[in-house]
Amino acid sequence: SQQGEEDPQALSIQEGENATMNCSYKTSINNLQWYRQNSGRGLVHLILIRSNEREKHSGRLRVTLDTSKKSSSLLITASRAADTASYFCATYSEKLTFGTGTRLTIIP
Amino acid sequence: GAVVSQHPSWVICKSGTSVKIECRSLDFQATTMFWYRQFPKQSLMLMATSNEGSKATYEQGVEKDKFLINHASLTLSTLTVTSAHPEDSSFYICSASWSGGGPDTQYFGPGTRLTVL
Repeated sequence: SQQGEEDPQALSIQEGENATMNCSYKTSINNLQWYRQNSGRGLVHLILIRSNEREKHSGRLRVTLDTSKKSSSLLITASRAADTASYFCATYSEKLTFGTGTRLTIIP
Repeated sequence: GAVVSQHPSWVICKSGTSVKIECRSLDFQATTMFWYRQFPKQSLMLMATSNEGSKATYEQGVEKDKFLINHASLTLSTLTVTSAHPEDSSFYICSASWSGGGPDTQYFGPGTRLTVL
């Protein structure tokens, strides 16, 4: 069954704008991870946030986690054309379970 | 560091044939390897988990006789799709973890696209 549901399914923004993607899940987790996947390629690990953390930053990425609402968000600031990809959240509790993904398109 | 490779990157085969996909950890010893499949524009679904030297653990609904997994060494796992049919066409991705990093830290391969005619 799908642990993570991502919202929106697709997002198109102008280069330079910020992109926000959300992920909701159903069961308790040890950590939540975000990955990027370029079309037809493998996964690139972006960031991991543990269940006892609320916010984490890495470069232009900001991730939040609200365990009470069982949700997480990924913010990409100052987007670039190279950020065009699919983004997946994945929750970890005994195994890694991926969300449905958000297809992000950055318009130059 | 922590590079995982897959071979081949793509394969086209006729219905009824078997296809083997290799997953290698290039610069670390992978105590556990994972196999996922991904249908177009969909998420990754875990198929099975394998530990070196032991039988793979398959997820519910995955046919172990159809998807044979061998993890014979700490750097190599293979997935064999037996008697492949068009519905097996998919993107297969492996990942690997090592004992020092834990199973929640997985390094993913670039994937193998299988097309069954």
